[in-house]
Amino acid sequence: NAGVTQTPKFQVLKTGQSMTLQCAQDMNHNSMYWYRQDPGMGLRLIYYSASEGTTDKGEVPNGYNVSRLNKREFSLRLESAAPSQTSVYFCASSDGAGGVGEQFFGPGTRLTVL
Amino acid sequence: QQPVQSPQAVILREGEDAVINCSSSKALYSVHWYRQKHGEAPVFLMILLKGGEQKGHEKISASFNEKKQQSSLYLTASQLSYSGTYFCGTPTNFGNEKLTFGTGTRLTIIP
Repeated sequence: NAGVTQTPKFQVLKTGQSMTLQCAQDMNHNSMYWYRQDPGMGLRLIYYSASEGTTDKGEVPNGYNVSRLNKREFSLRLESAAPSQTSVYFCASSDGAGGVGEQFFGPGTRLTVL
Repeated sequence: QQPVQSPQAVILREGEDAVINCSSSKALYSVHWYRQKHGEAPVFLMILLKGGEQKGHEKISASFNEKKQQSSLYLTASQLSYSGTYFCGTPTNFGNEKLTFGTGTRLTIIP
């Protein structure tokens, strides 16, 4: 049982480059999330998916796109990276349960945009 | 709107007690608490629900005051393993799974 896995662990991009962050969970959870964490800012929700084929914007969706490929996988794409997107990105999943489900976080991706 | 946590940071000696507060300017339906150790992912501690129900794994006590729109986490007889940053999260609406997290309280326990 791997829980929530994320790839890559580290990435350095140049401004304007694109990349996709991958996330997968093996807990059969319906809900999946993408957060970014900046120093002193806590966790901010980028996008959320309640189930396969559905996505919803969070607090800071600009500059990102997501895809819920199937129940297991939820990817985050940066089409044209900017230095302001330098951050640690966490993927999480939960069993939903009407907003009272525990969220399980992946180990994170540390992204630097030069 | 982001919940406000206080204090921002606290340093304790092993065995001392701490209280971490989380308050919101809007109605609270539930409060979620997570702990994050340096360089690691956040880990679930507990959820406090309206009506007094709690869900959690650890022996940590907490309160949820719906009228005051705040929650407090009580860490008693602190251990070195309690060190980390504590975040509270509140749903954007009732039954909503999207959480808004506070900026965190950094707790350092020294021997």
